[in-house]
Amino acid sequence: DTGVSQDPRHKITKRGQNVTFRCDPISEHNRLYWYRQTLGQGPEFLTYFQNEAQLEKSRLLSDRFSAERPKGSFSTLEIQRTEQGDSAMYLCASRVPGSSYNEQFFGPGTRLTVL
Amino acid sequence: AQSVTQPDIHITVSEGASLELRCNYSYGATPYLFWYVQSPGQGLQLLLKYFSGDTLVQGIKGFEAEFKRSQSSFNLRKPSVHWSDAAEYFCAVTNNNDMRFGAGTRLTVKP
Repeated sequence: DTGVSQDPRHKITKRGQNVTFRCDPISEHNRLYWYRQTLGQGPEFLTYFQNEAQLEKSRLLSDRFSAERPKGSFSTLEIQRTEQGDSAMYLCASRVPGSSYNEQFFGPGTRLTVL
Repeated sequence: AQSVTQPDIHITVSEGASLELRCNYSYGATPYLFWYVQSPGQGLQLLLKYFSGDTLVQGIKGFEAEFKRSQSSFNLRKPSVHWSDAAEYFCAVTNNNDMRFGAGTRLTVKP
């Protein structure tokens, strides 16, 4: 499968624990995006990378959220000291360089439940 | 700032009937516009996209959308709905960086 993959697909954790999600973009896609989607809402942009550089992070929800893409390939999103309000679907997307439409290809998401 | 409004939270249509899902956007320049579909528990699948050219664009699964600059709209249509079209539909706009989504329209298809 050559699409965007995310791991794990589901994560249940207790409040206060740290969680980390992984995203593997489509090969050679240099841009990678993270979104959060809460129930009944559209995805909400969090951050994005071009290669290993994080070009926008002001929209991360709080300082408990951080993302990395150390080698310009896969990316991780970490949430520290999770809260019940962090329960959501976390989506990753990637984009081919030079695309005239700027379309993004989405992974299946990681569903986080904070108890 | 760019934004997207989908006025209809939930629409129910009978199988075989026509469908139109509304989308209005607010954007200062020529927008890149998209429609995505999401089945329960799944990621988003691109149905169609528009940036320039013919204002009527064709997508996958028999969907089409029409860009109307004067109305700031990008409505999605399908002439005959199938039961498998039941899903959540999202309109989105991007400026080359982040993508802004509407709140979505949930489509129910009656037999």
